[in-house]
Formats: sequence, structure tokens, C-alpha cells
Amino acid sequence: ELKVEQNPLFLSMQEGKNYTIYCNYSTTSDRLYWYRQDPGKSLESLFVLLSNGAVKQEGRLMASLDTKARLSTLHITAAVHDLSATYFCAVPSGNTPLVFGKGTRLSVIA
Amino acid sequence: NAGVTQTPKFQVLKTGQSMTLQCAQDMNHNSMYWYRQDPGMGLRLIYYSASEGTTDKGEVPNGYNVSRLNKREFSLRLESAAPSQTSVYFCALTRGYINSYEQYFGPGTRLTVT
Repeated sequence: ELKVEQNPLFLSMQEGKNYTIYCNYSTTSDRLYWYRQDPGKSLESLFVLLSNGAVKQEGRLMASLDTKARLSTLHITAAVHDLSATYFCAVPSGNTPLVFGKGTRLSVIA
Repeated sequence: NAGVTQTPKFQVLKTGQSMTLQCAQDMNHNSMYWYRQDPGMGLRLIYYSASEGTTDKGEVPNGYNVSRLNKREFSLRLESAAPSQTSVYFCALTRGYINSYEQYFGPGTRLTVT
């Protein structure tokens, strides 16, 4: 059974600082997804990582995938308040739908 | 979430009541999903449908039934609601191609069972 673990689950960081969110998964997968959710809203796709070594960046967020280590990272550079949200990683297992991590609730404070 | 609509947006039920959550898409995709989201639990798959007329159980199907009568609509039914079914329910579909697909989520239905 595929398990997806994120850490930390809660993160409070100061504006301007850098930090990394980690996503580990337990079985082989060649792709991984990152989503963002604002309070009371739906999930919005951030990144789709499709192969080992894939790296994608948008603004202050950069995601990478190491399929051999079964690890993905979401790196935040020079955080700003607008990045406050909950971030989910998700992994497919064979032909099954996505299995989600529990999410990382990020709060960026001045 | 223009391509996926969910109704209702909010609902309060009493224990034992029944209701159907509706999901409709205008994106002409085959695969559709129902998830529930609870605090600290992430999203958990209830049921999914790979195509019209087919449905499969997900991680937490107990207490729910689904119906996929046509390509556009995928409904979730609670026959006898329980407080444990208080949650936010999201409908999703898969868009893209085999090697580059992603799941796209509807706006959600917030359900409270008292």
C-alpha cells in the first residue's frame, strides 16, 4: 500500500527566509504532483514532476523529484505572505488514482 | 474551477437523512473522482469512475454510493448520513494525456451532519 508522508505538517516562517518541504513516498513511482490549497478553497495544481531529476520552478517555489530516493522537495525562496497556504504532494501508484500526503500548512509572518 | 461544478456548496443534515452530492464537468474527460477532506488527513479517495457506466471503490467507500450515468455527471449519495461523514467533499477529474495527466478539482461541498 502506497504511503505518502510530508514534513513538516506545520511551518511558520518569516518573510524573506528560505525553507524546504519534504515529501516521501513508499513505493515506486515515476511522477509526483504538488498542489496548493488556500483556506476554504479547492486545490490548485502547482507542479507536475514526470521523471527522475525533474525540476520545476514558478516564482519563489521550486519543486524537484528524486525517484530513486522516493523523495520530492518543495523549496521556498524569500517567502512572502501570499505563499501562506496548505501544500499537498500526491503520488499515483500504478493505475490507481493519486494518494495524497496530509499536507503542510505554511504560514508566512512579517 | 470553471470546468467542474459541484452542488450544493454547503449542506447541513441530521443523522439518518440522505442526500446526493452532484458533480458535473464540461471538459469531456473520462475519469472522475470523489474525495473527502478532513482536518489533518489530507484527501482520501471515496470512489472513482474511469468511464461512463463504471465505478470503483477507493480508500474510504463505506457509507457512500456513486452513480455515473453519463460522461458529464458523477454523483455521490449518502443513504443514511452519520456525524463521521462531516467533511468537505471534492469532485475531481483527470485531464491531460497518459504521460502527462493531472487531477483537476471542483470547488467542493462542505457537509455537516448533526
